Parts: sequence; C-alpha cells; structure tokens
Amino acid sequence: SQTIHQWPATLVQPVGSPLSLECTVEGTSNPNLYWYRQAAGRGLQLLFYSVGIGQISSEVPQNLSASRPQDRQFILSSKKLLLSDSGFYLCAWSVSGYEQYFGPGTRLTVT
Amino acid sequence: GNSVTQMEGPVTLSEEAFLTINCTYTATGYPSLFWYVQYPGEGLQLLLKATKADDKGSNKGFEATYRKETTSFHLEKGSVQVSDSAVYFCALSEAGGFKTIFGAGTRLFVKA
Repeated sequence: SQTIHQWPATLVQPVGSPLSLECTVEGTSNPNLYWYRQAAGRGLQLLFYSVGIGQISSEVPQNLSASRPQDRQFILSSKKLLLSDSGFYLCAWSVSGYEQYFGPGTRLTVT
Repeated sequence: GNSVTQMEGPVTLSEEAFLTINCTYTATGYPSLFWYVQYPGEGLQLLLKATKADDKGSNKGFEATYRKETTSFHLEKGSVQVSDSAVYFCALSEAGGFKTIFGAGTRLFVKA
C-alpha cells in the first residue's frame, strides 16, 4: 500500500531564517506531487506541483521554491522566511485525473 | 476555467440531525468529483468520489450523487455524530489532468 510522510510535524522559525520541508511517498512510482498551504481557518492554496523528477510548476510566485531530486521525494524551501509564510503545509500525491492522497502536514509558525 | 463552489460554513447541527452540504461545479469536460474531509490538525482524507454522471459515491454513511444536469455534487448524511465534526472539501479533477480544484471548505460542528 502507498504511504506519504512529511517532516517535521511542527516547526517554529524566526523571520529571515531558511526553511526545508520534506515529503516522501512509498509504494508508487512516478506520482504527481503537490505542495499546498493552508492558512488558519482557510482553504487550500496550491503552491507547486511536479509531474516528474526535476519538473516543477509554480502556482504562486513568492519566496518559496520546490525541488524533486528523486521520484518520490518533494522538498519545499525558502532562503528567508516571512511572517506571512506561517501556515499548515500539506504534501499530496496522485495519479493524473484521480484522487489525491495527503500527508499529515507540517505546522509552520514564523515568529 | 474549472471551479468549485460550496456552501459557506460553519454548519452547526445537533447529533442525529440530517446533513446537507451543497457543492456546485463548473468544468469544460467530464471531471471526476470528490469529497474530502479534514479533521483538526490533520491532512485531508478522501471521503468519497464519483467518476461519471449519475454515479453515487458513499462512505461512512455519507453519500453524494454526480448530477451533470445541475452540475452539483451535494454531500448528505442521514444522522450525524459528534465525531463527524470536521472541515469538508468538495473537489474536481479532469481526466488526465494534473491539478485538482478544491472548494473553500465547509466547517461542520456537531453538538452532543
């Protein structure tokens, strides 16, 4: 069966510090991968998606970036965090046109 | 472009009440439709899905029917429980597409 992992589960970082969130998927090959952000009490905002190694599409231009160094690994990064980067970050995978499967999320607080 | 509109919350019900959360969509093709549920502090989980017109998705007492003529996919449950308190998201995905379009989410509170 397929599983998806995210870490860390929670993170408190000062403004201006770097960020690296990691997501890995097990039990499937060549999945589509996604990063979403959810502000408190709000809906989902798609940040990035990837259909293959090294292929990244950005939905929202901002100080975040994503990379896919391996087939089942997806990394979200920032060089300098802003207060507005606080939120709940969700990674997901899918096969095109079908349902998405979400990880447990990372709660990021920028202070 | 494709879009999903669902009723604003929060919805507050007493235990054993009937639940309806409305969802309508706009799509150029023949999308698959989904309901996801998010419990506090967790990621989203697929609740049910329907892949073509007149299909009924069901799971854990929840049901939704893909109505192409009204472009709707309303979520229903006959008798809610306190444990159903969560945020519910309606969503669509085009066949072969890369992205899923999510509604804004509807928060449900169920009181004992």
